[in-house]
Amino acid sequence: SYVLTQPPSLSVAPGKTARITCGGNDIGSKTVHWYQQKPGQAPVLVIYYDSDRPSGIPKRFSGSNSGNTAALTISRVEAGDEADYHCQVWDSSSDHPVFGGGTKLTVL
Amino acid sequence: EVQLVESGGGLVQAGGSLTLSCAASGFSVFNNYMTWVRQAPGKGLEWVSVLYGGGSPDYADSVKGRFTIFRYSPKNTVSLLMNSLRPDDTALYYCARGRRDGYNYFFDYWGQGTLVTVSS
Repeated sequence: SYVLTQPPSLSVAPGKTARITCGGNDIGSKTVHWYQQKPGQAPVLVIYYDSDRPSGIPKRFSGSNSGNTAALTISRVEAGDEADYHCQVWDSSSDHPVFGGGTKLTVL
Repeated sequence: EVQLVESGGGLVQAGGSLTLSCAASGFSVFNNYMTWVRQAPGKGLEWVSVLYGGGSPDYADSVKGRFTIFRYSPKNTVSLLMNSLRPDDTALYYCARGRRDGYNYFFDYWGQGTLVTVSS
């Protein structure tokens, strides 16, 4: 089945930019979705269709996808952005959705 | 307002059974991809099962033959019957609404989850 690879952790200072990557074979040919999961809470969709934001998600959150890497970029990081971030695609070979292992974002 | 509320989790011995339920409001479970996703302690998210409309249910290989997803439309609920439970089924089980457009598939609403613990 299709494998998505995320770095386990990322640390960034407040006000800086966080770029969380999601690697997969030719992931640029797929559509990537991103979820934010704060401690003790359910996941929340923050980016869908590579770069679209659901209503209520700040413009500081953006997404990109090309080649073998997709990325979630959070500009002007705030303490409230500290969370686990999960990428997800549809695996056409298994006909199932697949998640990355998640990246824990720490705001210093 | 869309809302998903799970229930039914608990502690069960290996080999036992448990049924989880997800009560939906604000939309019909029949016309949507109702999905169960689980998260083992300290791990990532894992898709478990889906049921949509009048179609056949689908399952992850890890639960196929042991879990059954079903729907009760009068109460707008979707449930997951879990048999032959194993310690590696221990996880927080989320109910989520899937949105699908061809090969585009994502989850726009999630419940708060219900914890299943399987002892050996």
